[in-house]
Amino acid sequence: QQQVKQSPQSLIVQKGGIPIINCAYENTAFDYFPWYQQFPGKGPALLIAIRPDVSEKKEGRFTISFNKSAKQFSLHIMDSQPGDSATYFCAASIADSSYKLIFGSGTRLLVRP
Amino acid sequence: GAVVSQHPSWVICKSGTSVKIECRSLDFQATTMFWYRQFPKQSLMLMATSNEGSKATYEQGVEKDKFLINHASLTLSTLTVTSAHPEDSSFYICSASDSSIKFYEQYFGPGTRLTVT
Repeated sequence: QQQVKQSPQSLIVQKGGIPIINCAYENTAFDYFPWYQQFPGKGPALLIAIRPDVSEKKEGRFTISFNKSAKQFSLHIMDSQPGDSATYFCAASIADSSYKLIFGSGTRLLVRP
Repeated sequence: GAVVSQHPSWVICKSGTSVKIECRSLDFQATTMFWYRQFPKQSLMLMATSNEGSKATYEQGVEKDKFLINHASLTLSTLTVTSAHPEDSSFYICSASDSSIKFYEQYFGPGTRLTVT
């Protein structure tokens, strides 16, 4: 119930492509869904986040699509660049649990030049 | 804004010794701080949550006597790994949130690489 399932485990795209990373959850009490980007040896950095009252959010080249009925959300990276090569984590949290984050397993993205 | 620092960035210690890791919020008051550990090519696993001035709440399976967490001020939390063993070698990351701003957003530190020999 507390898990967030993330796929794919790894992803390779060409520069300019649109990688899509998917996450699914079971607990309908989750009310905050952030995406983090992590480079090797660094801490995660918040990319973009969404609340369940909207179906899509865009920030720059990053877009979250949220499907509340299916309990799924995804990250799209438009016009991907080699500098986007990193590990991406989805997460979810609940207000009444101090907003502690439950992380997905991560997706290693490689963008080829 | 919302910068979190950790010190040290990496540390090597001998088995049986203790090591302290500091986590500081540089430009905001961290009412809640979180400690995670991350093994190579794995996800982040929450170890504990601490609120300033209160005892930390540990996740199931995390030994509170081994991983001592102190959140004595609104800008500083420390994690002490006591009697460290090689299996404690990992990447430890803290995060902080400010309930006066966006209480649901966590800002992560750069992490501390611990190697126990």
